[in-house]
Amino acid sequence: EIVLTQSPGTLSLSPGERATLSCRASQSITSSHLAWYQQKPGQPPRLLIFGASRRATGIPDRFSGSGSGTDFTLTVSRLEPEDFAVYYCLQYHNSPPWTFGQGTKVEI
Amino acid sequence: EVQVLESGGGLVQPGRSLRLSCVASGFSFSNFAMAWVRQAPGKGLEWVSGISGSGGSIYYTDSVKGRFTTSRDNSKNTLYLQMNSLRVEDTAVYYCAKGPGYLLISFYMDVWGKGTTVIVSS
Repeated sequence: EIVLTQSPGTLSLSPGERATLSCRASQSITSSHLAWYQQKPGQPPRLLIFGASRRATGIPDRFSGSGSGTDFTLTVSRLEPEDFAVYYCLQYHNSPPWTFGQGTKVEI
Repeated sequence: EVQVLESGGGLVQPGRSLRLSCVASGFSFSNFAMAWVRQAPGKGLEWVSGISGSGGSIYYTDSVKGRFTTSRDNSKNTLYLQMNSLRVEDTAVYYCAKGPGYLLISFYMDVWGKGTTVIVSS
């Protein structure tokens, strides 16, 4: 099973600042089978990024994903008030089990 | 609009059973693999099970193998999760989620339901 470790656990920033979230895998994820989700309290997760760097439909271009192998990054270029949430990475390399990271909370 | 809607959650005693349903709309259900993902109170996301578009391939996380059964009725656009021998640690919000294609390959969850809450307690 591939273990994903997200860092930091909590990121304290202000609107307009840049957020950089990390997701590290315990083994190489080929074909960049890595996705990022945003979750706000009381809501289901929302897909932001798939294939490590491809934005999902309707996702603003201030969200970007990068990385390959074992190290992946989600960047929010300029935080908007609605971006304060918890972010999860997911690996879907090969067959299941697919695993999520433990989450990074972006707070004001 | 592409949507999935879960139902069937509730309060159940340890050792008992519960069946969750997920009705899909706005897309050709039989052409897409589906998954169940859960989230314990205050915790992160945990993938539970995945099923291919035909229902011919099904996978489970180790902690539910032998207790949970995922199935689908493509004529009813409905996904099911039969949960037997429930444990306190199964308490969670259970989400139904759609994948991007027919197979359980390169599968990520692109559309999520609002979730249904399962509480296992005596």
